[in-house]
Amino acid sequence: EDKVVQSPLSLVVHEGDTVTLNCSYEVTNFRSLLWYKQEKKAPTFLFMLTSSGIEKKSGRLSSILDKKELSSILNITATQTGDSAIYLCAVEDYGGSQGNLIFGKGTKLSVKP
Amino acid sequence: DVKVTQSSRYLVKRTGEKVFLECVQDMDHENMFWYRQDPGLGLRLIYFSYDVKMKEKGDIPEGYSVSREKKERFSLILESASTNQTSMYLCASSLWRSGNTIYFGEGSWLTVV
Repeated sequence: EDKVVQSPLSLVVHEGDTVTLNCSYEVTNFRSLLWYKQEKKAPTFLFMLTSSGIEKKSGRLSSILDKKELSSILNITATQTGDSAIYLCAVEDYGGSQGNLIFGKGTKLSVKP
Repeated sequence: DVKVTQSSRYLVKRTGEKVFLECVQDMDHENMFWYRQDPGLGLRLIYFSYDVKMKEKGDIPEGYSVSREKKERFSLILESASTNQTSMYLCASSLWRSGNTIYFGEGSWLTVV
């Protein structure tokens, strides 16, 4: 069965810390891996990764995919309280003629002042 | 900007009631999805649709049905609401075979009493 596992499930850090969130997957027909940030409402898109070893960056956030290890990490440097959210990892499974997203359970990040 | 609109943000319904959750997207996306999100369980796919009048069961379709009479609208129906359907429901849409991001609505918080 296809699955996506995120770790840790929750994390508490202080402002200024650097955090690394993990996502591993077992998916039959991998197409892409996506990271989302969810605050109080709808998840918002952060990154889409399709190729191994190529880092994507956006400000203090960065992410990289390792297809050999079937995993990805999301790094946040110099964390701020506004980074507090649930971070969702999803893998697009291109099974048959229809792509579908398989989500992990999310990592809840709390950044304390 | 892509907009996915869920018309009902907060609902309280009684056990046994029929519940309609409506979702409209304005970007001519072929794919539309309904997820439910529960603490500790992440996002779970209920149903998805890749074309008008087409629907596919997701991971947890029991107790739900859907309707897609027009491309922009995807409705989730709870024929007879039960307390275990109390949850946050997220609608989403994406382009066909886009390898692209999925866009989420703001979510509908349903409480069944």
